[in-house]
Amino acid sequence: QVQLGESGGGVVQPGRSLRLSCAASGFTLSSYGMHWVRQAPGKGLEWVAVISYDGTNKYYADSVRGRFTISRDNSKNTLYLQMNSLRAEDTAVYYCARDRVDCSGGSCTRGYFDYWGQGTLVTVSS
Amino acid sequence: QSVLTQPPSVSGAPGQRVIISCTGSSSNIGAGYGVHWYQQLPGTAPKLLIYVNSNRPSGVPDRFSGSKSGTSASLAITGLQAEDEANYYCQSYDSSLSGWVFGGGTKLTVL
Repeated sequence: QVQLGESGGGVVQPGRSLRLSCAASGFTLSSYGMHWVRQAPGKGLEWVAVISYDGTNKYYADSVRGRFTISRDNSKNTLYLQMNSLRAEDTAVYYCARDRVDCSGGSCTRGYFDYWGQGTLVTVSS
Repeated sequence: QSVLTQPPSVSGAPGQRVIISCTGSSSNIGAGYGVHWYQQLPGTAPKLLIYVNSNRPSGVPDRFSGSKSGTSASLAITGLQAEDEANYYCQSYDSSLSGWVFGGGTKLTVL
C-alpha cells in the first residue's frame, strides 16, 4: 500500500535552515509528481511546492519562493524540502502528498493529492 | 484570505443531509479546473474524499457526493454519522497564481 512518511521537523530559530524528508513506499516514486503542503496551527491547508516526476520542473507558492527548495532522489525513494531563512509564519505541520493529474476533460491538467503523509511539525521560534 | 471560499462551519443531526459550498472565480473553478475535496479528522492528515468534482476513491461511502457548476462546487453528505465530524477542504488549481489552492475549510459538527 502507498505510504508516505515525513521527518526532519523540529524547533528552529528565525533565519535558520531545516531540511525535511519524505520517504515513499508502496509505489514507484519516479512515476509521480510530489508536493509539499503545510498547515499552520489551527489553520487551513496551504500548498507550498511541487516537483515533477523526474525533478526537472519545480513550482513554489509566493510565500516560500526564493527561500524553500524542493528536490527528490528517486533512487532513494525520497522527497526533500530545504527551508532557508525561516520565519515565524513558516510554523506549521508539513505534509508531503502525491500528485495526480486531472485527465477528465480529454487533456490532462493540474489535479489533486491522492495520498498524504502523517506530517512533521516545524516550529520557528527564538 | 483563501482563494476558494467555504463556510466556516455547518452542522446537522445524525441521519440528516448537509451541503458544504466552495466558491471560486474565473481563474480557478470557472476556468475549468477540477474541484477536489478532503476530509481531515481531528489530529490526522487530510484524506482524499472526492476527486475531479464528483468521483469517489475506493473505500469512500456513497453518502459523500460532489458537484460543480460555474465558479462553484458543493460537497453533500447524506445520512450523517458521528464519525463524519471533521474539517472538510475544497481544492482546485488557479491559473493566475500558478498554484494549487484550497478553501479555508469547513468544520462539520454532528449534533
